[in-house]
Amino acid sequence: EVQVVQSGAELKKPGESLKISCKGSGYSFSHSWFGWVRQMPGKGLEWMGMVYLDDSDTRYSPTFKGQVTISVDKSITTAYLQWSSLKASDTAMYYCAVSVAPIPGYWGQGTQVTVAS
Amino acid sequence: DIQMTQFPSSLSASVGDRVTITCRASQGISSYLAWYQQKPGKVPNLLIYGASTLQSGVPSRFSGSGSGTDFTLTISSLQPEDVATYYCQKTNSAPWTFGQGTRVEIK
Repeated sequence: EVQVVQSGAELKKPGESLKISCKGSGYSFSHSWFGWVRQMPGKGLEWMGMVYLDDSDTRYSPTFKGQVTISVDKSITTAYLQWSSLKASDTAMYYCAVSVAPIPGYWGQGTQVTVAS
Repeated sequence: DIQMTQFPSSLSASVGDRVTITCRASQGISSYLAWYQQKPGKVPNLLIYGASTLQSGVPSRFSGSGSGTDFTLTISSLQPEDVATYYCQKTNSAPWTFGQGTRVEIK
């Protein structure tokens, strides 16, 4: 059974850095993409980007390119979403969704990120 | 980039009604389309992938159709537990854009 487990909720101050994680288990994730999705309070789903487990090929939505960094550690089937300087507007729920063909998304439970002074 | 447009943005229907949600891609995406259901405070749940393949465990009252640019999600007989927001998503190439969502309520 495919399981996707994300790191826990975070409360940070503006300007701080943050790295959240997403671990896949229960399957061989070779040829899999790990994607990140933002959902701001009361809003819809926004696709941020994804990283290919095998070779770390990374794709970003134009909206998020340069704003976040997506990476992966193949040895532990874990992907990361990173900010170097958080803003209040980064407050949102962040979901990890792992694509294992033909299934486009096995989703994690979400990581709530709150940025407040 | 290809844009995904969903309509209507919201709808209200009676229990037992047939409900149809439309998703339109600004360019052809073959059958690389998924549908998700999201209930308030919950993780999105995959309903359909490949435009028409029902994900395991999803009730058969849900169905998907279409290819190219026009797609539909149909609930054949709306149930109270179907109250949720539904999203389409293109999955052919990055970015895997979502539609804006359709909120479904019971009349």
